[in-house]
Amino acid sequence: AQRVTQPEKLLSVFKGAPVELKCNYSYSGSPELFWYVQYSRQRLQLLLRHISRESIKGFTADLNKGETSFHLKKPFAQEEDSAMYYCALSGRTGGSEKLVFGKGMKLTVNP
Amino acid sequence: GAGVSQSPSNKVTEKGKDVELRCDPISGHTALYWYRQSLGQGLEFLIYFQGNSAPDKSGLPSDRFSAERTGGSVSTLTIQRTQQEDSAVYLCASSLIPVAGELFFGEGSRLTVL
Repeated sequence: AQRVTQPEKLLSVFKGAPVELKCNYSYSGSPELFWYVQYSRQRLQLLLRHISRESIKGFTADLNKGETSFHLKKPFAQEEDSAMYYCALSGRTGGSEKLVFGKGMKLTVNP
Repeated sequence: GAGVSQSPSNKVTEKGKDVELRCDPISGHTALYWYRQSLGQGLEFLIYFQGNSAPDKSGLPSDRFSAERTGGSVSTLTIQRTQQEDSAVYLCASSLIPVAGELFFGEGSRLTVL
C-alpha cells in the first residue's frame, strides 16, 4: 500500500531561518514523489517533483530511498512561504494511477 | 476553461439530504480525481476516472458516496443521506494523462452538514 507520513503538523520560524519539512513514504515499488503547496485562499498547486531535480522558489527536495524520505528544504525562509505543504506519492497499484497525499503541514514564517 | 471549475463553492445542507457536487475539468484532460480535504486529515483520495470509467474507487467512504463522469468531461460526486461527518471541502483535480504527476486542482466545494 502507498502511504505518506508528514510527522509534524505545524512549523513556525522567523524570516531568514532555514526550514525543513519532513516527509516519509511507504511503497514497495519505484515511487514518484511530489510536494504540493496551498497558499491562503489559493488552489492547491504543484511545487516540485523529485524527477525534475530542480529548485523552485528556493525549495529543494531529495529523494532518499534508503530512508524512504523526501524532505523539503529551504535555507532562508521568506514570509511568502507561509502556506500548507503536502507531500505526495504516485505509484501504480492495481492498475490505478493516483496521487496519495500526506496530512499536510502548516508553515508560518514570521517577520 | 482556463482551469478546473467546481460548483457549488459552498453548500449548506441538513442531515439526511442528498447533495451533488460538480467538477468541470480542464479541456482535454483525460484523468479526473476527487479528494476530500478536512482539518487534520489532509487530502483523502476518493475516486479516480480515466475517461468515463473509474478504475479506482477505493477511497469512497461508504455506499452513500457515488460519482460519475460523462463525455469524458464533467463529473458529479453525489452524497446521499448526508451525515455531519461528511462536512469537508471536496476537491476535484484533473491531469492530462493518467499517470498522476501534476494535478490541476479546482477551488473546491465546501460542504457543511447541519
